[in-house]
Amino acid sequence: GAVVSQHPSWVICKSGTSVKIECRSLDFQATTMFWYRQFPKQSLMLMATSNEGSKATYEQGVEKDKFLINHASLTLSTLTVTSAHPEDSSFYICSAGGIGEKLFFGSGTQLSVL
Amino acid sequence: AQSVTQLGSHVSVSEGALVLLRCNYSSSVPPYLFWYVQYPNQGLQLLLKYTSAATLVKGINGFEAEFKKSETSFHLTKPSAHMSDAAEYFCAPRGAGTALIFGKGTTLSVSS
Repeated sequence: GAVVSQHPSWVICKSGTSVKIECRSLDFQATTMFWYRQFPKQSLMLMATSNEGSKATYEQGVEKDKFLINHASLTLSTLTVTSAHPEDSSFYICSAGGIGEKLFFGSGTQLSVL
Repeated sequence: AQSVTQLGSHVSVSEGALVLLRCNYSSSVPPYLFWYVQYPNQGLQLLLKYTSAATLVKGINGFEAEFKKSETSFHLTKPSAHMSDAAEYFCAPRGAGTALIFGKGTTLSVSS
């Protein structure tokens, strides 16, 4: 099956720094990428949807200036958490949608902000 | 917008017992319905999906789900629970070309 590679799988950073998370579709063209956030013992919450070459569409309550999403190619989308704070500590998961309504998830990134 | 309700945030069963995890979707029928499983500190694994081809859907690890339009339900079942089934389970509808919208999840505990 199709593979979505998400890196890093975990990252620890100091408060105030920025962290970039990559999501790559390895064997298909991902026309749409979705980014989710999951707090401990909670469900996945959709943060934003991005289409290749377009600006991302953010869900209500998600700060677009804090969570920068870039989808510059059909195989790569990045999420940058800018000026991270402890409350941004969470599990971030990407999913990539290709042709035919197929949807595949990355393995997730655990972000811990000290 | 699509939404789901997962009844019961925590379900406990004995090993070998029937597993029933409930999921009810919003009144508009979604094109697709999914069940995912998440083991501790891991990503998501697709269990099964409904795509209108058949109302009874069989998935991996012995799980299956039946789409019932009259009840707006898509409950997940497994005849005999294993210890390895202990995990978090999410039901999620999806519209055409849109994101999955996850339910709150149900934690399944299996005791010996």
